[in-house]
Amino acid sequence: EVQLVESGGGLVQPGGSLRLSCAGSGFTFSTYWLSWVRQAPGKGLEWVANINQYGSEIYYVDSVKGRFTISRDNAKNSLYMQMNSLRVDDTAVYYCARDFGSGSYKYWGQGTLVTVSS
Amino acid sequence: EIVLTQSPGTLSLSPGERATLSCRASQSVSSNYLAWYQQKPGQAPRLLIYGASSRAPGIADRFSGGGSGTDFTLTISRLEPEDFAMYYCQQYASSPRTFGQGTKLEIK
Repeated sequence: EVQLVESGGGLVQPGGSLRLSCAGSGFTFSTYWLSWVRQAPGKGLEWVANINQYGSEIYYVDSVKGRFTISRDNAKNSLYMQMNSLRVDDTAVYYCARDFGSGSYKYWGQGTLVTVSS
Repeated sequence: EIVLTQSPGTLSLSPGERATLSCRASQSVSSNYLAWYQQKPGQAPRLLIYGASSRAPGIADRFSGGGSGTDFTLTISRLEPEDFAMYYCQQYASSPRTFGQGTKLEIK
């Protein structure tokens, strides 16, 4: 069974940093693109970033470029998101998601809540 | 960046009725790389349709997707009580892989 489990969320002050992790199991982790998608409270889904199987191809939404860094460790079956210079509008549930076929997302984690507030 | 606009924002229907949700793209979505998701409160999204018209494994056949280029639809042929939820479209033809703003399907 495919599983994705996020961790690392919490309360952080504006300007602070946080590192999210996503542990994958039940599939060959090193053969799939992986993504982070977030959802602010009461709002819609926002795609944040993705990374290819090797970590050599990475894309970000404009609003996080220069502040967030996506990475992966295939030996540990883990995906990461280093979030720096956090802003109040980064407050959201952050989901990791695995590509299904050409880029839709059948597999999602349960999400981890990041709250940026003073 | 491809902008996706979903309509209507809210759709009020009764169980047993047919629902048609729309997703319009600001530019053509190549290879029809368009997906539809259902999301209920407190849950992660669930993939319903990929490639514009292919049902994901385990999805009931009352859900169907159609369209191409810039105009796509999700149709639910006969609404069941569990179908009342939020629905999002997403394009994965180019990065950033954008989502529409969502359609809320509510019980009339």
